[in-house]
Amino acid sequence: QSVLTQPPSASGTPGQRVTISCSGSSSNIGGNYVFWYQQLPGTAPKLLIYRNNQRPSGVPDRFSGSKSGTSASLAISGLRSEDEADYYCATWDDSLSRPVFGGGTKLTVL
Amino acid sequence: QVQLQESGPGLVRPSETLSLTCTVSGGSISPYYWSWIRQSAGKGLEWIGRIYSSGSTNYNPSLMSRVTLSLDTSKNQFSLKLTSVTAADTAVYYCARDGADSGNYVYWGQGALVIVSS
Repeated sequence: QSVLTQPPSASGTPGQRVTISCSGSSSNIGGNYVFWYQQLPGTAPKLLIYRNNQRPSGVPDRFSGSKSGTSASLAISGLRSEDEADYYCATWDDSLSRPVFGGGTKLTVL
Repeated sequence: QVQLQESGPGLVRPSETLSLTCTVSGGSISPYYWSWIRQSAGKGLEWIGRIYSSGSTNYNPSLMSRVTLSLDTSKNQFSLKLTSVTAADTAVYYCARDGADSGNYVYWGQGALVIVSS
């Protein structure tokens, strides 16, 4: 199982707001930046959020990230069909001395 | 625009060595960290290791005994060797460029599926 815990699935209807959680510990999320990736079917992950809540150029402001203590969240507002993808959180783990990922959340747009 | 492309055999026999190369175009190998990350159905995304443009390396402790990373700056390439493979090493292998923070990967290759089977 993954070091970071994400719900395996999430869903919403077009236009809705959806949040995906990522739970960790003091050795990872608690003391390091969190990153979020979007992976469309058959493609490589794409950086969606960096340093907890920053969006790379080109990422719509419908996507936002937050972090509190040892947990982080990704929020997607104004849900669109093209948002249907797998989403992963990632961070550094001080105890394991390596980057760690969440198990991924499959987002379905109903 | 930086682009990465993995290449190598898609089928490796058990107990043999998996070898992949990542070719970087649109930018220089220096001065960055370059990582290998794999994704299997059973274990999600797993960081394998990284190499800096100077040649220094960091490995995932769980794979360290079997992994070797190297680079060829003249060809703008870096490579992965994973020895004594088993079916558990079957995965899509991605190369990626590290950002300023650990866990931050802006540029990814398209991925190379490697199946371990006799």
